[in-house]
Amino acid sequence: QQPVQSPQAVILREGEDAVINCSSSKALYSVHWYRQKHGEAPVFLMILLKGGEQKGHDKISASFNEKKQQSSLYLTASQLSYSGTYFCGTESDDKIIFGKGTRLHILP
Amino acid sequence: EAEVAQSPRYKITEKSQAVAFWCDPISGHATLYWYRQILGQGPELLVQFQDESVVDDSQLPKDRFSAERLKGVDSTLKIQPAELGDSAMYLCASSLEGTEQFFGPGTRLTVL
Repeated sequence: QQPVQSPQAVILREGEDAVINCSSSKALYSVHWYRQKHGEAPVFLMILLKGGEQKGHDKISASFNEKKQQSSLYLTASQLSYSGTYFCGTESDDKIIFGKGTRLHILP
Repeated sequence: EAEVAQSPRYKITEKSQAVAFWCDPISGHATLYWYRQILGQGPELLVQFQDESVVDDSQLPKDRFSAERLKGVDSTLKIQPAELGDSAMYLCASSLEGTEQFFGPGTRLTVL
């Protein structure tokens, strides 16, 4: 089952924060987050493994609640370079399925 | 920096013709994936290889699509015959087992 991402789209001003959510109806082993800019291939951001670990680098972090089968991606003090479409990929039964994506547009 | 290579980058074909896409993964990556991405959607897995073996091809339309990775290195995805609904971006990705996937630049297919 394809994970559900919310919101579908977000418009922010530079410096504002954003949260992107990803939920699944299946028990998950891991959650993967990618960012794709228009016309380019998806680029890996981070993997969260079963265990509820929170990860992050720079001003982008994520959490994984395996009991709720949910993950959230946090973008703090957003920069223009954060614009793009964010995909979560949920792993269960040795298979990764990507959500439909959340489009993020940062205004100067 | 090592990258996943794909060719061609763009392909325009007429329906009922055959097309083929090529992917060369990052050296040492045993797992190779082919995805189809329709504009505005997330990547949809078509086939996953572990070395030369198919691990998952449950979403591959086998009546017209085929994929091979004969020596466990580079891979070819073929569509025969192409249909209008096949127009999409075809992405190849590779990974070490259980880790992040590295995507290639993709092949944009347009079927007329």
